[in-house]
Amino acid sequence: GENVEQHPSTLSVQEGDSAVIKCTYSDSASNYFPWYKQELGKRPQLIIDIRSNVGEKKDQRIAVTLNKTAKHFSLHITETQPEDSAVYFCAASSPGRRALTFGSGTRLQVQP
Amino acid sequence: DVKVTQSSRYLVKRTGEKVFLECVQDMDHENMFWYRQDPGLGLRLIYFSYDVKMKEKGDIPEGYSVSREKKERFSLILESASTNQTSMYLCASSLWGAHTEAFFGQGTRLTVV
Repeated sequence: GENVEQHPSTLSVQEGDSAVIKCTYSDSASNYFPWYKQELGKRPQLIIDIRSNVGEKKDQRIAVTLNKTAKHFSLHITETQPEDSAVYFCAASSPGRRALTFGSGTRLQVQP
Repeated sequence: DVKVTQSSRYLVKRTGEKVFLECVQDMDHENMFWYRQDPGLGLRLIYFSYDVKMKEKGDIPEGYSVSREKKERFSLILESASTNQTSMYLCASSLWGAHTEAFFGQGTRLTVV
């Protein structure tokens, strides 16, 4: 089955700096890669996703890049703000698989 | 707005009890999922269902079972609760499979004593 590894487990940045979270996956057939954000005490919510036919996708201050050859994908947050503080989960799924496989999560702390 | 609602926010049960966690979604989604969330381990899939009365084991199904008698409702059952099942349980639903957005419930923090 699919295995997704996520690094780092914790990340602390100063407000205004950039943050990068990286994930690797094991199944070369995987073709869908979403990122979820979970604020303290709240439910995870989708913030951005990418499919295997594109290498990068941006939405305002967040972007995701995908390297299918190396089987890794990354979340980039620019100009971080305190409200970006949360746990971020990457996930992957391959065709025919009905459920996502999640990474172990990254706790991002943005220091004001 | 999609709403996924879990019946309890907090539960405390005794070892050996049979425990039912209920989840209801209001968007006519085909797929429903139960995940367990533990620090450092992320979200691990326990069971999922892609249709009424249909279910598939996830990555950690041991000690759990599920029931989906109606499309909107997906129940997680701990047959005989044990202390190592103390965790946060998250229900989710999606329109189809793993390639569409998953909407999560607010979570049930279960403590088994």
